Amino acid sequence: AQKITQTQPGMFVQEKEAVTLDCTYDTSDPSYGLFWYKQPSSGEMIFLIYQGSYDQQNATEGRYSLNFQKARKSANLVISASQLGDSAMYFCAMREGRGGGSEKLVFGKGTKLTVNP
Amino acid sequence: DTAVSQTPKYLVTQMGNDKSIKCEQNLGHDTMYWYKQDSKKFLKIMFSYNNKELIINETVPNRFSPKSPDKAHLNLHINSLELGDSAVYFCASSRGLGGTDTQYFGPGTRLTVL
Repeated sequence: AQKITQTQPGMFVQEKEAVTLDCTYDTSDPSYGLFWYKQPSSGEMIFLIYQGSYDQQNATEGRYSLNFQKARKSANLVISASQLGDSAMYFCAMREGRGGGSEKLVFGKGTKLTVNP
Repeated sequence: DTAVSQTPKYLVTQMGNDKSIKCEQNLGHDTMYWYKQDSKKFLKIMFSYNNKELIINETVPNRFSPKSPDKAHLNLHINSLELGDSAVYFCASSRGLGGTDTQYFGPGTRLTVL
């Protein structure tokens, strides 16, 4: 069963507008972490933002915020004031495991975001 | 300063050959990982090491053998390469503590098997 679902294979947004990338997850573990990574065309994986399952507030990092709805098991990424450089693949991931090297990231299939000028 | 580095960045080789990819991290992390990204961009964990000890081996063919000489290095050796091994291989590292711990990725190695 797929544990991380990203239902939007591709998204388009106008420069300077906000965009929401969807992510739903499935786990029975009460302790988990949710991550978003950006992969530009150059190929590297860039960490953007983290949300812990016990965090009371939504995570924010500059123009990135994570809309965490625990009951719905969703962790959507919101990018405000989109820039041309935001065009990339975006991956949602969930950490399984408790440390000591046992933790692993389970990734969704990704969303390709294109920012139009 | 590069936090997680991999060499080579590109690797083109013939079927049946043996090749290695090297990874080094200067973050002082205890845990290192190998992930494989296939042609559809799907990322999946292969291995994890904690302080040179193999922790995760995610049903990877035994043609793949990771080696960790010290906790800052994790290499991946692949024997008898097959066409299906063509992919981008990412090394990553973390403190291995769970909680807010984040995995940081290297730039990836694009392996093409002809």
